Amino acid sequence: NFMLTQPHSVSESPGKTVTISCTRSSGSIASNYVQWYQQRPGSSPTTVIYEDNQRPSGVPDRFSASIDSSSNSASLTISGLKTEDEAEYFCQSYESIIWVFGGGTKLTVL
Amino acid sequence: EVQLVQSGAEVKKPGESLILSCKASGYTFTRYWIGWVRQMPGKGLEWVGIIYPGYSHTRYSPSFQGQVTISADTSISAAYLQWSSLKASDTAMYYCARVRGDGYNGDFDFWGQGTLVTVSS
Repeated sequence: NFMLTQPHSVSESPGKTVTISCTRSSGSIASNYVQWYQQRPGSSPTTVIYEDNQRPSGVPDRFSASIDSSSNSASLTISGLKTEDEAEYFCQSYESIIWVFGGGTKLTVL
Repeated sequence: EVQLVQSGAEVKKPGESLILSCKASGYTFTRYWIGWVRQMPGKGLEWVGIIYPGYSHTRYSPSFQGQVTISADTSISAAYLQWSSLKASDTAMYYCARVRGDGYNGDFDFWGQGTLVTVSS
């Protein structure tokens, strides 16, 4: 099975833009949808992006995502950072009904 | 309103058995895949497996195949995660979650609150 690799942590100031990457180890990143989850401490994860770039209702349009086949990676971009965006973010994809999560990226907004 | 309500925290000894439950409401239980996710203390999310309650079709992560059993009871709209012999390394938070849409691949759109399992002698 493939792996999804994320940076361990990123930090940025309020109001700025941050991008979190998620690189697929084998197989094409474009072959299966990528999802992104936000998990705040002590809470269950919630989806911020599904099917590569779709936002569930209630997720602000400050959250966006894309796929880059040349680097075989997906990216989550959060613009106009707010302190409430501080959380851990996990990418997730699948192949042949086997789901894989990335290791998670801790976003600090300071 | 879709809700997934999980059973309460458990403290067990190595070698003991355990069943976690996840009670669903607010949607047709038999028409959505439902899955389990492990989160060890201070660590990331790990996909355990999923079940389609309508047909009891299951799929497991290779890492969990043979270690746990996922089942469902459609009469009470509940999914289960079961161990026959716990290990200390099973200590973790376990979440159940519903798969969005009518397929088995996608994202989890609704999550339970999590059940903390502690296995210690």
